[in-house]
Amino acid sequence: SQQGEEDPQALSIQEGENATMNCSYKTSINNLQWYRQNSGRGLVHLILIRSNEREKHSGRLRVTLDTSKKSSSLLITASRAADTASYFCATDQAGTALIFGKGTTLSVSS
Amino acid sequence: EAQVTQNPRYLITVTGKKLTVTCSQNMNHEYMSWYRQDPGLGLRQIYYSMNVEVTDKGDVPEGYKVSRKEKRNFPLILESPSPNQTSLYFCASSLGSGGSYNEQFFGPGTRLTVL
Repeated sequence: SQQGEEDPQALSIQEGENATMNCSYKTSINNLQWYRQNSGRGLVHLILIRSNEREKHSGRLRVTLDTSKKSSSLLITASRAADTASYFCATDQAGTALIFGKGTTLSVSS
Repeated sequence: EAQVTQNPRYLITVTGKKLTVTCSQNMNHEYMSWYRQDPGLGLRQIYYSMNVEVTDKGDVPEGYKVSRKEKRNFPLILESPSPNQTSLYFCASSLGSGGSYNEQFFGPGTRLTVL
């Protein structure tokens, strides 16, 4: 199946810095979602952006979507230690399943 | 509290011994699915169900069965587990399967080890 691919695979930053992670996908989508997973736990939905939207905000999160480049980015501003987690993008390709990428592991040190 | 529950959370078993992992949601969601998560491979969908009595294969269905007799429950059955099914399993549900309705709510996970 087609997959979103996150980049980078791993990211280490200091508290207070911004974290940016990217997602690329291969086919047309209806929407793209970002999820967070704390170590070994279930994924938690963060934000959904529709294919006709270019940018969306939720608290310290900013998501952009460029359908011409088939890519999305997730920006976490003013990172905190509690943001340490894996982040996944998931694409809805007008089918019956979300296709998840392999994730970016973010480590925020204090 | 709206949630997806899975049981058991941890399971160690032996090759060939049939097991069932239960999944239940209390949000009246129509769509439910099972994923497995393996290092380096991300999440891969095993089976999904769009409604009661409607199930279909995901990306990696071999060795698994599911049923959807009630809207709230979606058990995952391993008839004859093998070591390559050692993994972290997640059940998830959503209102629907498309548009804005497919925000997934995940269960806490079941860590399965097959010896």
